[in-house]
Amino acid sequence: SQQGEEDPQALSIQEGENATMNCSYKTSINNLQWYRQNSGRGLVHLILIRSNEREKHSGRLRVTLDTSKKSSSLLITASRAADTASYFCATDGGTSGSRLTFGEGTQLTVNP
Amino acid sequence: DGGITQSPKYLFRKEGQNVTLSCEQNLNHDAMYWYRQDPGQGLRLIYYSQIVNDFQKGDIAEGYSVSREKKESFPLTVTSAQKNPTAFYLCASSIRSVGGVSNQPQHFGDGTRLSIL
Repeated sequence: SQQGEEDPQALSIQEGENATMNCSYKTSINNLQWYRQNSGRGLVHLILIRSNEREKHSGRLRVTLDTSKKSSSLLITASRAADTASYFCATDGGTSGSRLTFGEGTQLTVNP
Repeated sequence: DGGITQSPKYLFRKEGQNVTLSCEQNLNHDAMYWYRQDPGQGLRLIYYSQIVNDFQKGDIAEGYSVSREKKESFPLTVTSAQKNPTAFYLCASSIRSVGGVSNQPQHFGDGTRLSIL
C-alpha cells in the first residue's frame, strides 16, 4: 500500500503565485523527501526533512513536517512556468531500511 | 559528469520474450534501485541492492529478475512471466544508508519506456 498520498492530485496556477502541495503518510518515519519529475524524465531530489525537524527551506522551496498529523507540505513561492512538473513525497517508513515509498504525486501546471 | 545512464530509452517486447534494461552509474554509489511507474501513478519498487552480489525483492518483484555483479551496473530483466510489462522503468542509486535508515537522496536515470508489440 502507498505510504505517502499527495493532495491535490492536480494544481493549476498562474506564474508568480504560490503553490502548496500536501503529503500524508500512515506509519512512523525517520525522514521524508520531496522529488520533482518533469514529463518523461527521471525524478530529481528537492529536499529531505528529518522527523525531528519542523521546517526546512531551499531557495523558493519551503517544506514543513507535522509528525503528530503524519503530514508534510511543500510550498513553492513565486512560481515560474519552469516549475511545471509532478511532485512526489517519499518516506522511509521508519524501519524499512534503505527503501523509500513514493506517493502518487501532484501534477503542478504553472501558466505563463 | 557523474550520473545514471539508462538504456535503451524505448524498448518493445514481443510475446514470450525476455528483455533486459540497462542501468549504469558512475557516482560510486553502493545502493541501486529499480522502480516501475504506470501513467499518472507514483513509483513502485521492483528490486533493490545495497551492495555488490546482494539484492532484495521490492513490492512487485514477480516477473522480474536482476543481477548485481559490478558496483556500477544493475540490469533488470523483464521476463515473459510479467504479463503486463508496459510501463516506464526508472533506475536510481544512492549512498548506502546507515543503520537501516533511508536517509540519503536517490539519484535517478531518465528511464526506459517499455511497450508490448
